[in-house]
Amino acid sequence: GQNIDQPTEMTATEGAIVQINCTYQTSGFNGLFWYQQHAGEAPTFLSYNVLDGLEEKGRFSSFLSRSKGYSYLLLKELQMKDSASYLCAVRNYGQNFVFGPGTRLSVLP
Amino acid sequence: DGGITQSPKYLFRKEGQNVTLSCEQNLNHDAMYWYRQDPGQGLRLIYYSQIVNDFQKGDIAEGYSVSREKKESFPLTVTSAQKNPTAFYLCASSTVGTGLGGELFFGEGSRLTVL
Repeated sequence: GQNIDQPTEMTATEGAIVQINCTYQTSGFNGLFWYQQHAGEAPTFLSYNVLDGLEEKGRFSSFLSRSKGYSYLLLKELQMKDSASYLCAVRNYGQNFVFGPGTRLSVLP
Repeated sequence: DGGITQSPKYLFRKEGQNVTLSCEQNLNHDAMYWYRQDPGQGLRLIYYSQIVNDFQKGDIAEGYSVSREKKESFPLTVTSAQKNPTAFYLCASSTVGTGLGGELFFGEGSRLTVL
């Protein structure tokens, strides 16, 4: 079967750092994607990992360990506008994207 | 500007009626997808298509139908057989190959409410 797990909710303070974890078991692996989704809107692409290691993109970084089936999204210098859901998705051998349940992040002042 | 256009943005339907959600893309992507999202949950795959005139069922295809007569278009019909159709529907597209640039691009979504 295919399964992706993420924490349901997280809370952090403005200016802090938060790490959102994602573990996966899928039928093949062709990359792991992170998306941000504000309430009532479509998801927007944040980052992509296909090789092990860290990818950095401004305040956002994403890490992948394929042997452990594990990824995390790191958000630095949190801002109020970062309050959103963060979706972890894996592209499998069938070229489909399997999504996790999403992590709802609340940034408090 | 290249992108994906979904319509309508909001749709109300009576029980027993079929409705069709439109999805058009001008990104020249081969693959197109339909996802359903229920409140507080992740995205579940309804149907996908990697080439014109071919499509495959996703995890929750029952009560839905699609067609792919043109590369740019992938309409979704929600039939009366779908027991709980009230949801947020997202259309997406991507290139078929892998590697950077293979991410999903989403339309703005269609919110369907059954009265």
